[in-house]
Amino acid sequence: DTGVSQNPRHKITKRGQNVTFRCDPISEHNRLYWYRQTLGQGPEFLTYFQNEAQLEKSRLLSDRFSAERPKGSFSTLEIQRTEQGDSAMYLCASSDTGGTYGYTFGSGTRLTVV
Amino acid sequence: SQELEQSPQSLIVQEGKNLTINCTSSKTLYGLYWYKQKYGEGLIFLMMLQKGGEEKSHEKITAKLDEKKQQSSLHITASQPSHAGIYLCGASDDYKLSFGAGTTVTVRA
Repeated sequence: DTGVSQNPRHKITKRGQNVTFRCDPISEHNRLYWYRQTLGQGPEFLTYFQNEAQLEKSRLLSDRFSAERPKGSFSTLEIQRTEQGDSAMYLCASSDTGGTYGYTFGSGTRLTVV
Repeated sequence: SQELEQSPQSLIVQEGKNLTINCTSSKTLYGLYWYKQKYGEGLIFLMMLQKGGEEKSHEKITAKLDEKKQQSSLHITASQPSHAGIYLCGASDDYKLSFGAGTTVTVRA
């Protein structure tokens, strides 16, 4: 297993464009999480999936954000009509139920909106 | 939701010296995770503590969860340049982790 994989690593987009990020979790993990991290802050929870079901969305997640996890495997996070305030590192993590063996994070996707 | 406060916010240590980072929670900790992050990269798992009084060590890094389970500390002995980075504590908050703001460690040769 190669851990949690995120693509792309970096994304520069113009304001108003849509972007999509992908996360491939550890195959045995049924839980998948998306976090957002800005400079000088810890990661902030955005949403999580148990298998294919999206069970929680943070109030930080505006209507422009949508996440999917079809068939309980990889996940995508889409941001529509990007704004400069969306510039951040987007981190994906996966875990077994309850995080008994820890939460494994990917390398993140750094989004820059110009 | 669980709030975590880390101290100090940043520190500079001479290579070979020890350092300690603290993480204080607003609620009882039922699972405390320490991660390390290089600038612009993902989080690397260091240790997980679940029981009050628990202490774990890996190489030169030791983490403790206090008896009252509202504070954890991370101690690095004889720091090296490879220890430089951002250290984050995360607490189990229902089904997810909530994080502190991080402590930036700089190791001077």
